[in-house]
Amino acid sequence: GAVVSQHPSRVICKSGTSVKIECRSLDFQATTMFWYRQFPKQSLMLMATSNEGSKATYEQGVEKDKFLINHASLTLSTLTVTSAHPEDSSFYICSASGGASSTGELFFGEGSRLTVL
Amino acid sequence: DAKTTQPPSMDCAEGRAANLPCNHSTISGNEYVYWYRQIHSQGPQYIIHGLKNNETNEMASLIITEDRKSSTLILPHATLRDTAVYYCIVRVATSGSRLTFGEGTQLTVNP
Repeated sequence: GAVVSQHPSRVICKSGTSVKIECRSLDFQATTMFWYRQFPKQSLMLMATSNEGSKATYEQGVEKDKFLINHASLTLSTLTVTSAHPEDSSFYICSASGGASSTGELFFGEGSRLTVL
Repeated sequence: DAKTTQPPSMDCAEGRAANLPCNHSTISGNEYVYWYRQIHSQGPQYIIHGLKNNETNEMASLIITEDRKSSTLILPHATLRDTAVYYCIVRVATSGSRLTFGEGTQLTVNP
């Protein structure tokens, strides 16, 4: 399957700082990328959908000014958690679709675990 | 996206077949059935998907009932590394179509 890579895999930051997570599609062009958040012992929750070159669409209850998403190219999307607080500590996962041979399946990154102290 | 129902947990002996059921009684005609799994602290892994015909790949087989209201994912020879949460999801097969996760089934493969 197609490869999606996230960086960093783990990050620890102080409360009030901002953290950027990168999501790259390594062997295909991703027209659409999705960002998810997962708290311990819970399922994945969709945060936002981003299409290359346009503004992201956020799910209800997700603050767009806090979780900044940029999808400037067909192989890179970034999620910036601004002014992070301990309650933002979570497992953030991106997924991408849009490969030439795509039949609709999404491929996921390895996830980025954020801990806010 | 149509809602799916899965048992919260299942156990399976190593080397035996694991059959994971999924109900999706409100599935629409253009929605596919997708299966993903998530091993602890990793991103979800695509397994297989299908529309109405049974499908098989190197990982698993997908059996979809004729009325498409339910399906079964079959891992023919489960190993300890197959222990994971398995998610059954229905959605239209376009690249921009979102994937909404339910609670999934925690499959534990026992030695």
